[in-house]
Amino acid sequence: AQKITQTQPGMFVQEKEAVTLDCTYDTSDPSYGLFWYKQPSSGEMIFLIYQGSYDQQNATEGRYSLNFQKARKSANLVISASQLGDSAMYFCARDSSYGKLTFGQGTILTVHP
Amino acid sequence: EAGVAQSPRYKIIEKRQSVAFWCNPISGHATLYWYQQILGQGPKLLIQFQNNGVVDDSQLPKDRFSAERLKGVDSTLKIQPAKLEDSAVYLCASSLGGKGARETQYFGPGTRLLVL
Repeated sequence: AQKITQTQPGMFVQEKEAVTLDCTYDTSDPSYGLFWYKQPSSGEMIFLIYQGSYDQQNATEGRYSLNFQKARKSANLVISASQLGDSAMYFCARDSSYGKLTFGQGTILTVHP
Repeated sequence: EAGVAQSPRYKIIEKRQSVAFWCNPISGHATLYWYQQILGQGPKLLIQFQNNGVVDDSQLPKDRFSAERLKGVDSTLKIQPAKLEDSAVYLCASSLGGKGARETQYFGPGTRLLVL
């Protein structure tokens, strides 16, 4: 099975500081996509950022950036200038050749004032 | 643009009862997904539709779960009879095109099911 591993069950960060959430994945496919989603306590999954396996540059979306290291099969999410509203569960996911997403176990991020 | 709609938002039933969830994807989205998210875990795909055809239902417990997307738009997921272990959040997602891969999936608010 194609596994996604998020080794940090919980992370704490001070407001306005940066934080890195780790994600590693298994794959034998040459082409794939990696996604990060945020899930607040309300339960909805909110799309944050996407990285294609053939993309030359690391993806960025506002305060979110993806540190993609293909050889190490890692796709860490970096959140800069953390805000209180960033407190949530964060999931890393990888897609299959037809779209199915396989998710990691998630990391709970708590931002302290 | 309206997002993915799901109803009901919450449902409490007793084991062996039946329950149905409804999902209306983003307008124009060809691909629709149902995921099950058990507390403390990441979502797991139950079934994927492309228009009104099934792409993947390999993890759908077919002895008790069924799903349909008859006109290629909205979809219904049914559980009959429910078991205690079916307590979870059921998330519906949709993506734009038919190719599925490399496309962003947009999720609805989910239906929280509690089986007593």
